[in-house]
Amino acid sequence: DQQVKQNSPSLSVQEGRISILNCDYTNSMFDYFLWYKKYPAEGPTFLISISSIKDKNEDGRFTVFLNKSAKHLSLHIVPSQPGDSAVYFCAASDNNDMRFGAGTRLTVKP
Amino acid sequence: KAGVTQTPRYLIKTRGQQVTLSCSPISGHRSVSWYQQTPGQGLQFLFEYFSETQRNKGNFPGRFSGRQFSNSRSEMNVSTLELGDSALYLCASSRTGETGELFFGEGSRLTVL
Repeated sequence: DQQVKQNSPSLSVQEGRISILNCDYTNSMFDYFLWYKKYPAEGPTFLISISSIKDKNEDGRFTVFLNKSAKHLSLHIVPSQPGDSAVYFCAASDNNDMRFGAGTRLTVKP
Repeated sequence: KAGVTQTPRYLIKTRGQQVTLSCSPISGHRSVSWYQQTPGQGLQFLFEYFSETQRNKGNFPGRFSGRQFSNSRSEMNVSTLELGDSALYLCASSRTGETGELFFGEGSRLTVL
């Protein structure tokens, strides 16, 4: 039962351009959403989050947008840097547990 | 402060065996969650413990179990191992386990032959 879906397993962008990673969810009870980044041989690390009462949260080069009616959120990275190359996981929480998507592998080419 | 520590980092088992993985959360964190990561499946939630009690459980068979000790350290056990249990098992801790940021360990990579 995939309540959180990341339909793009991979994404490749040129350095300096925008990276847009997408995530869809099915459970309307989710009220908090997070993005995690994972490098090989390391555990995921928290990147940015957004509460369901907001539709946008920005932190430096990273912005997360939430469209509750569409049950969709996206992560924008501008400008993309080679060091951003990693697997990005979308996560959603309803105060009971946190569900993760399958991840999107982002490759930023120099 | 020290991060989440998982042991062992790597292990190889054969079908039918059992395995125990350990997780030491960040000091002061009382919630520990376990996730299974496999290619294409992302992070699948196993269970969450808070103050020695299992608070939430994912859709895994009863072969997967866990516990938490009074010092918040947690163990998970997988009995009668199957080839499909080969995965990276990640432990994450948080202060309360409520909505918010999880802090992950580096994981224990289990290979079942």
